[in-house]
Amino acid sequence: SQTIHQWPATLVQPVGSPLSLECTVEGTSNPNLYWYRQAAGRGLQLLFYSVGIGQISSEVPQNLSASRPQDRQFILSSKKLLLSDSGFYLCAWSVNREYGYTFGSGTRLTVV
Amino acid sequence: KQEVTQIPAALSVPEGENLVLNCSFTDSAIYNLQWFRQDPGKGLTSLLLIQSSQREQTSGRLNASLDKSSGRSTLYIAASQPGDSATYLCAVPREKLVFGKGTKLTVNP
Repeated sequence: SQTIHQWPATLVQPVGSPLSLECTVEGTSNPNLYWYRQAAGRGLQLLFYSVGIGQISSEVPQNLSASRPQDRQFILSSKKLLLSDSGFYLCAWSVNREYGYTFGSGTRLTVV
Repeated sequence: KQEVTQIPAALSVPEGENLVLNCSFTDSAIYNLQWFRQDPGKGLTSLLLIQSSQREQTSGRLNASLDKSSGRSTLYIAASQPGDSATYLCAVPREKLVFGKGTKLTVNP
């Protein structure tokens, strides 16, 4: 069966520090991968998606970047965190849009 | 542009009550519709996926219906329990997954 792993679960980082969040998927090949952010009291915002290794599409200009170094690995990064980067970050995968999406357990990021 | 709306935004019911959560979408040309549950501070758990050719899907006490022509889906929860308390989200895929803002459900013992 397919599983999605996301870590860390919680993270407290100072303003200006770097960020690296990792997401991996097991049990499938060539998944579509997604990073979402959920700010407090707000809806889910798509940040990045990837349909293959090295292929990254950005939905929103921001302080973040994403990379896909391996087929089932998706990384969200920042060189210098801002207070506004605080939020709940969710990774998701899909085979294609006809088969639904599966989400990870999320990372709670607090920038202080 | 696809827009997804969920009504009500919040719902509080006594334990044992049957309830209906509503989801509407503006563009009926959908592949499918997916219902999720989100517990506080947790990720999204997929509850039901209804393909565009289907009218309904059932899983345990949950039943989701889909009416593409009217742009509506409902999630029916039978015999609600305190453990059903969570935020329920519906979503439809376009170039990206378009979410409603969710219904926060509280089931009181």
